[in-house]
Amino acid sequence: DAGITQSPRHKVTETGTPVTLRCHQTENHRYMYWYRQDPGHGLRLIHYSYGVKDTDKGEVSDGYSVSRSKTEDFLLTLESATSSQTSVYFCAISESGASDTQYFGPGTRLTVL
Amino acid sequence: SQQGEEDPQALSIQEGENATMNCSYKTSINNLQWYRQNSGRGLVHLILIRSNEREKHSGRLRVTLDTSKKSSSLLITASRAADTASYFCATESGGSYIPTFGRGTSLIVHP
Repeated sequence: DAGITQSPRHKVTETGTPVTLRCHQTENHRYMYWYRQDPGHGLRLIHYSYGVKDTDKGEVSDGYSVSRSKTEDFLLTLESATSSQTSVYFCAISESGASDTQYFGPGTRLTVL
Repeated sequence: SQQGEEDPQALSIQEGENATMNCSYKTSINNLQWYRQNSGRGLVHLILIRSNEREKHSGRLRVTLDTSKKSSSLLITASRAADTASYFCATESGGSYIPTFGRGTSLIVHP
């Protein structure tokens, strides 16, 4: 998985609790992305980062925030988890962004009860 | 909203047969990529084709792009059971460097 790890790999939490997912890369790639994957929807972009402290919203950013204080780490936070945020979350990285291959992490399966 | 849409949603074939899946998109693109996802795993990049290219090959994979029809196809020749996976197209268009993924085609190759 191209030097990308995600933690935790599985998490069960309750509605209303905060949750933070971590993506860590060892490739020194500039761009990092968070996607969610749901049946019938494919992959949808939540947030992405184009450098340390540089982030932007994706298609489904409501209810999510991100932070990137170091090149290697990109955190996704659900401030107050809801059942609609039950999903599989994937982190991806790319070296240069445009027209560049994305490398994906193994995913985090999140269940919000 | 998805830019690319794969067709068919599901495909079931026998080992040795060829598998063809299609991707249609709505707006002009800079490039189109195909990815594979094995069950429970992250996506793996297969091939990228740029808007000025018509065909690319990689091993048993052949990708075509028809910009006039706004469509692409992925052909897997002589399929193997290990090709069982979901296949996604991702398009990049305009000034955005963020690819947009379709919903995928689920391919099952029976041994």
